[in-house]
Amino acid sequence: GEDVEQSLFLSVREGDSSVINCTYTDSSSTYLYWYKQEPGAGLQLLTYIFSNMDMKQDQRLTVLLNKKDKHLSLRIADTQTGDSAIYFCADHNQAGTALIFGKGTTLSVSS
Amino acid sequence: SAVISQKPSRDICQRGTSLTIQCQVDSQVTMMFWYRQQPGQSLTLIATANQGSEATYESGFVIDKFPISRPNLTFSTLTVSNMSPEDSSIYLCSATSGDLAQTQYFGPGTRLLVL
Repeated sequence: GEDVEQSLFLSVREGDSSVINCTYTDSSSTYLYWYKQEPGAGLQLLTYIFSNMDMKQDQRLTVLLNKKDKHLSLRIADTQTGDSAIYFCADHNQAGTALIFGKGTTLSVSS
Repeated sequence: SAVISQKPSRDICQRGTSLTIQCQVDSQVTMMFWYRQQPGQSLTLIATANQGSEATYESGFVIDKFPISRPNLTFSTLTVSNMSPEDSSIYLCSATSGDLAQTQYFGPGTRLLVL
């Protein structure tokens, strides 16, 4: 079945760039998503990328997609303490309806 | 985008009891889903809530334990039946807006603790 893998932890200093990586197995994925979950909160959609794109930039966020290697990354420029959260990579299930999530990467930003 | 609310936001329940969680979307949506997030874990899909018909359950989840209703295009309920401490989780409702990217929006979650 489909699978999404992420590294579990990332620690950076305020002002640095953060890069969160994700790999997925479903080569038929059309869209891939990044969600953010702050402590005690639900999931917030950050951004998504269409599978025909290599890169998408949205303010401080840059998504890179390597479809050949099935590798997705999220770069956060000028990381702030408010960016501390869990970041989930997600892909659609085989039915193309619901989402399959990675285990989440906990980003810790120190000042 | 869709704004999703859930009630209750949290609850503490005794084992053997049942809790019904409500999910309300501010606009008509095509698909609604229920996920579970166990402590420190990722999200797992419980079922797809189908309007006017029985929900579609994922492997490991059954209707008797997690009955779901979806009476219209903006509302759904999930019941956690005959609860045990293993059911302590965050339960999240989500909905697809129907755009080309099939963007999925989530409610704030219901934090359930079963004693």
